[in-house]
Amino acid sequence: KNEVEQSPQNLTAQEGEFITINCSYSVGISALHWLQQHPGGGIVSLFMLSSGKKKHGRLIATINIQEKHSSLHITASHPRDSAVYICAVFQTGANNLFFGTGTRLTVIP
Amino acid sequence: NAGVTQTPKFQVLKTGQSMTLQCAQDMNHEYMSWYRQDPGMGLRLIHYSVGAGITDQGEVPNGYNVSRSTTEDFPLRLLSAAPSQTSVYFCASSYRSGGSYNSPLHFGNGTRLTVT
Repeated sequence: KNEVEQSPQNLTAQEGEFITINCSYSVGISALHWLQQHPGGGIVSLFMLSSGKKKHGRLIATINIQEKHSSLHITASHPRDSAVYICAVFQTGANNLFFGTGTRLTVIP
Repeated sequence: NAGVTQTPKFQVLKTGQSMTLQCAQDMNHEYMSWYRQDPGMGLRLIHYSVGAGITDQGEVPNGYNVSRSTTEDFPLRLLSAAPSQTSVYFCASSYRSGGSYNSPLHFGNGTRLTVT
């Protein structure tokens, strides 16, 4: 069973398009993380959320605790946004971190 | 402030050999953890630690040992390498406040391990 499900698995967009990546989870959580991994590269934390919405530059992350759902939005996408985006959750009262399998985003110039 | 330092970057082992993957952080984070990343499976937790002297198993602990003698270091030991342990390994750390993980995760750059 997967505690964290992401969609879509793969996404191709034209430069400038608005991108949405979705994350649904099945456990109670204390925090949700959005991570970015470039090809062959390390993993970078984009956002940590426990409620509401956060914005950093062209990236916006939202979370709905009641619906157990989070979205990552990228406005005015750029080829340098091409990467794998990973959703991860810390289960409430535990030290377990569960990861989605990632969304591979390709932005074409 | 180096963040999370993970070594080596690449390693090739023969079946049955042992080795230690090193992970060190200089941010005074209580929580440290090891993951493996395999194609199509996402990251999976191997072992984690919530402080010096405290370790626990994650989702896929078999074949791996850890120890946490200091806050800074969290080495991962492969006792007898098997081809099934071919993977990319990541170490990560996080600040833990009042039992909650409400700060960003910091990852090392990864170790690509091949077992032949």
